[in-house]
Amino acid sequence: GDSVTQMEGPVTLSEEAFLTINCTYTATGYPSLFWYVQYPGEGLQLLLKATKADDKGSNKGFEATYRKETTSFHLEKGSVQVSDSAVYFCALTYQTGANNLFFGTGTRLTVIP
Amino acid sequence: DAGVTQSPTHLIKTRGQQVTLRCSPISGHKSVSWYQQVLGQGPQFIFQYYEKEERGRGNFPDRFSARQFPNYSSELNVNALLLGDSALYLCASSSRQQRPQGETQYFGPGTRLLVL
Repeated sequence: GDSVTQMEGPVTLSEEAFLTINCTYTATGYPSLFWYVQYPGEGLQLLLKATKADDKGSNKGFEATYRKETTSFHLEKGSVQVSDSAVYFCALTYQTGANNLFFGTGTRLTVIP
Repeated sequence: DAGVTQSPTHLIKTRGQQVTLRCSPISGHKSVSWYQQVLGQGPQFIFQYYEKEERGRGNFPDRFSARQFPNYSSELNVNALLLGDSALYLCASSSRQQRPQGETQYFGPGTRLLVL
């Protein structure tokens, strides 16, 4: 079945450090891939997405490239800020009848000044 | 434009009770999906509705039901509550059910349900 595996957390970084959060997926077709972010006490916000192989999604300094050959969609940011502290979820949607998202377990990021 | 709205924000119930959660999608969006997020885990898909019809259902018991109204708002009902139903319930909307290019779902802030 379809699934998403995320890097175990929590991750703690100093401000301005480089961030990578790994995400790999299993899908029987050609999914679209997403990163969502959840700030404390809030719902999910879309961070970026990619809909086909080799697409790069980017937003607010974050980026991720859809790698079909390695079935990966790793999230990166060159210089994190304290305000980036949140839980990050990798997700895919498989293009069948239902428009449902499959989520990873989430990775908690804490950025310290 | 207003985003997805959900009510109530918090709810406390006891085992065996029934609960109804409400969701209003983004204006113009016709599809609503419900997810359950247990603490420390990723959201799990419960239902999707499009044009008032159920288009998808996750692996949840029949105690969970939902419906969508002509104005595209939606309700999620859970009967005979169990302690394990304690979670954040998220509603998401999108404009079409089929999305060959991976249409985005936009999430509301959620309803936090505590079952005692």
